[in-house]
Amino acid sequence: SQKIEQNSEALNIQEGKTATLTCNYTNYSPAYLQWYRQDPGRGPVFLLLIRENEKEKRKERLKVTFDTTLKQSLFHITASQPADSATYLCALYGGATNKLIFGTGTLLAVQP
Amino acid sequence: DVKVTQSSRYLVKRTGEKVFLECVQDMDHENMFWYRQDPGLGLRLIYFSYDVKMKEKGDIPEGYSVSREKKERFSLILESASTNQTSMYLCAEAGGHQETQYFGPGTRLLVL
Repeated sequence: SQKIEQNSEALNIQEGKTATLTCNYTNYSPAYLQWYRQDPGRGPVFLLLIRENEKEKRKERLKVTFDTTLKQSLFHITASQPADSATYLCALYGGATNKLIFGTGTLLAVQP
Repeated sequence: DVKVTQSSRYLVKRTGEKVFLECVQDMDHENMFWYRQDPGLGLRLIYFSYDVKMKEKGDIPEGYSVSREKKERFSLILESASTNQTSMYLCAEAGGHQETQYFGPGTRLLVL
């Protein structure tokens, strides 16, 4: 069955370091993959979209990679700040299903 | 800026009550979605609509119905609320091809 996996354990890092979050998927052929940020008690906010024919996408301190062979996306936040603390969700679109499918998210905690 | 509003942030209802959750978007987009979000299960799609008066079942439509009489408004209806429908409900909208989704602030529903 189709599955998206994000590390369910919280990621704790020190301010200024690079945070790397992982999204793995199985039994999908996504046309594109997205990353969202969600703060407690609020709706997710779109961050970045990367298509299947793109290897890497950047936006300010954010970088996303997409490896369709490994079936994996990595989400990096460089020079992390306490304000980056949130839950980060990956979402896939395409393949057999014509819907956006979300992972369960990874909680990032950046310590000052 | 895209704005998606939901009628209530918090709602407490009794088992068996009929519950209406309203969502309004200001982007004149075709696609609107209702999700519920539960710890460890992530975002699950209940229903979506790609045009006025059109609706499609998502992954967990049982116990829910929807209404889309106007383009900007998408309502989620719990015909007879049950305790297992206690959850965070999130509305989202998207332009063509359901790419980037913009979420409302969410409604936290408690069914007693």
